[in-house]
Order: sequence, then structure tokens, then C-alpha cells
Amino acid sequence: DSGVTQTPKHLITATGQRVTLRCSPRSGDLSVYWYQQSLDQGLQFLIHYYNGEERAKGNILERFSAQQFPDLHSELNLSSLELGDSALYFCASSPQGGGSQETQYFGPGTRLLVL
Amino acid sequence: AQKITQTQPGMFVQEKEAVTLDCTYDTSDPSYGLFWYKQPSSGEMIFLIYQGSYDQQNATEGRYSLNFQKARKSANLVISASQLGDSAMYFCAMREGMGSSYKLIFGSGTRLLVRP
Repeated sequence: DSGVTQTPKHLITATGQRVTLRCSPRSGDLSVYWYQQSLDQGLQFLIHYYNGEERAKGNILERFSAQQFPDLHSELNLSSLELGDSALYFCASSPQGGGSQETQYFGPGTRLLVL
Repeated sequence: AQKITQTQPGMFVQEKEAVTLDCTYDTSDPSYGLFWYKQPSSGEMIFLIYQGSYDQQNATEGRYSLNFQKARKSANLVISASQLGDSAMYFCAMREGMGSSYKLIFGSGTRLLVRP
């Protein structure tokens, strides 16, 4: 158990809908990262938050957005869902903003299926 | 751009034997980190081992060791005394970025199957 929690574990929804994925980092960690794992794209970085502030964006679609709250939990919002958004979404956390020695610890993931 | 290459889509190993999973990387940044993660069929990503670019010695964590050859830009994972529970996908990753973000870039993974 990495100490990172994600809810829900599974999510089934329809095209055009909106969903919210939630992540709680390890106790004391200030950074949260979101990744998407799909069969065709592999593991892709989406976005990084540090202590409530956005630090970097990766291949995140405009239909997707994220935020990190004062209690450091983070939410990833996916809207106008398409079939291709079906994937495993991971949250990871690290103690600081990503220093040279930092390991990212991953949550169990949320498996999203868009029908 | 930084890149991770894992050339072995799948591998078999006999239980109790050692196995090496290959990983090569490409970067122009002198400071970087290399990571290996294990993903069992249940889906979670489990951190195994880390090697920093300035580390003089190869990293070891229990049955896992990292064969770091900086000049060849390779960071192979060695699993000794394989167990049935080692059957999983293994991903090599590199930390990219300086300053504000250290996102991970992943290879395509190697599926390891341990035979009894």
C-alpha cells in the first residue's frame, strides 16, 4: 500500500458525460501528479500540482481539468467524454515539488470505461 | 526530447532464476533519475527501485538491483531468485524536468512471466 488513495476504483459512464476522479496523496506529500494509461498511448503525464498550484501540464486535453485543494487532495475532472477517454487514471504523490531524489508513489488507479 | 526504450515486450523466466529486463534512455540533461515500477494484473503501480544519474554505485533493493551503465545510457533491472509473484508488467521511467516539475516518462513496458 503506497498510502495514496483514489476513488472511485471503477467508473462506467456514457459518451458526453462528465466525471470527477479524486486523489488523496500520502500524508505530508505536497505534490500530486496525474497520469493516464491507455492501450494505445501507454502511460502519459497529464498534470502536476504542488501545494495547490499548477506546476506543469502534459498531454492533457482541454476537456480535462484538475485542481488541488487546501487539504492537498486533488480532483481530475473529465468532461464531454469520448470512447477514447477510456483508460486507467493514476494519481501519484511526492513529498516536495519534484526534487532530484524524489520518488513518485502511485495510487491504485481509477479505471474509466466510456460506453 | 527525453525518451525511454524497453525492447522486450515479453519475457519468461524459470522460478528461482535471475532475469534482466532491459531499459535504455536518452537525455541531454546531466541530472536525471531512473525508476522501475511493477504493475501486477490488479493494475496498481508499485515503486521498485531508483537510480540517480550521479550515483556512483548501482542501486539495490532486496532482490532487485539496477545495472546502471551511464556511458551506454542503460538502466537494466535485475531480479534475482524469481518468484511466481514477480509475474507482472515492469516499467522503466525517467524523471524529466528541471525546476518546476519532474514528470515521469515511461517506457512501453516488459511483461514478465515466471514459470513454476
